[in-house]
Amino acid sequence: KAGVTQTPRYLIKTRGQQVTLSCSPISGHRSVSWYQQTPGQGLQFLFEYFSETQRNKGNFPGRFSGRQFSNSRSEMNVSTLELGDSALYLCASSYSDVAIQYFGAGTRLSVL
Amino acid sequence: KNEVEQSPQNLTAQEGEFITINCSYSVGISALHWLQQHPGGGIVSLFMLSSGKKKHGRLIATINIQEKHSSLHITASHPRDSAVYICAVERGAQKLVFGQGTRLTINP
Repeated sequence: KAGVTQTPRYLIKTRGQQVTLSCSPISGHRSVSWYQQTPGQGLQFLFEYFSETQRNKGNFPGRFSGRQFSNSRSEMNVSTLELGDSALYLCASSYSDVAIQYFGAGTRLSVL
Repeated sequence: KNEVEQSPQNLTAQEGEFITINCSYSVGISALHWLQQHPGGGIVSLFMLSSGKKKHGRLIATINIQEKHSSLHITASHPRDSAVYICAVERGAQKLVFGQGTRLTINP
């Protein structure tokens, strides 16, 4: 069974641009969660999607958004990029609530 | 004060030593996760537990719900165990709330 796939692995953008990150969960997993990891703040929860519906959202500004498609693939979008958005963005999928989460390798975003 | 506190933040030990990493949390949870992150960023889920004790190979995780405390133990540690170990609690709307991580280095 293929693991969680995130694309792209690395991304360089400039301030003010927008970016879209993609996550393909493990087959059969309907929950996809997104996390941001920075040296200063550590790992923080962004949002969670289940069956195309956003169920939970972390404390991030509205510039961070996401969606989930009918095949459970998920995308995350960040608009009007700021320098502080430079981070490792991780996606994780799970079969159901309160279950082991399987993480992708992450997308490392650098904002210049 | 963070909702999830880990100790120690850094730990260096010799190969073969018994390792203990602690995690304390201050809120009600539905489950607690132990994660391992290697250089390069990849995260692997080691355990998810809501009570008692779980064992997988040389790794053992315990949780005491009343005391809001969990420990991760590594027996017969090996240099390949060198990584950052992260405790995370699952609660409500914040899918996972993470500790700051414990950087473990095992010297041969």
